[in-house]
Amino acid sequence: EVHLAESGGGLAQPGGSLRLSCAASGFTFSSYAMSWVRQAPGKGLEWVSAISGSDDSTYYADSVRGRFTISRDNSKNTLYLQMDSLRAEDTAVYSCAKDVSGTSNWYFDLWGRGTLVTVSS
Amino acid sequence: DIVMTQSPDSLAVSLGERATINCKSSQSVLYRTNNKNYLAWYQQKPGQPPKLLIYWASTRESGVPDRFSGSGSGTDFTLTISSLQAEDVAVYYCQHYYSTPLTFGGGTKVEIK
Repeated sequence: EVHLAESGGGLAQPGGSLRLSCAASGFTFSSYAMSWVRQAPGKGLEWVSAISGSDDSTYYADSVRGRFTISRDNSKNTLYLQMDSLRAEDTAVYSCAKDVSGTSNWYFDLWGRGTLVTVSS
Repeated sequence: DIVMTQSPDSLAVSLGERATINCKSSQSVLYRTNNKNYLAWYQQKPGQPPKLLIYWASTRESGVPDRFSGSGSGTDFTLTISSLQAEDVAVYYCQHYYSTPLTFGGGTKVEIK
């Protein structure tokens, strides 16, 4: 069964760091682009970052560029999001999402349930 | 960046009646070289991750009931639920994938009247 499971969320202080992980199973992870999407409490969806399946090209929302780093380890079927210089407005549930195809169409047919990141002093 | 604007924010529809959700993009998401609209629709039920319903503006994802349909082109799109069922209560989002940054509409909450 295809599945995505996020971990690594928690409470961080403003200016602090967290590293999120997304473990994938049930599909050939290395063949698909992946994204992180966040949802602040009671709010809508916001795309955060993406990484291609083939050449590891990376893409970021303006709100996180220079602070967050997306990466993947295809040998471990795992996607990562390194989050530095955290701000209160980064508080959200962070979910990983799988691209529908190996050619980076950038819409998503599989989502994880997410991990909550809270940035507060 | 392409801004996606959904309307209404919420709507209440009687069981068996039609629900219509609109999505407008700040610039065209129609790619002329392949004549495809880079627009998807998702359904998110409480406590669940989003579920892909429609892509390329009008192609239904496998397993999605045919009461869900998508239409539109360029900058104006519509998701229609032809006969609302109790299990359709959810928030619906549009998303463009024409370019990065990818952006979502603000969501439309569908409830039973």
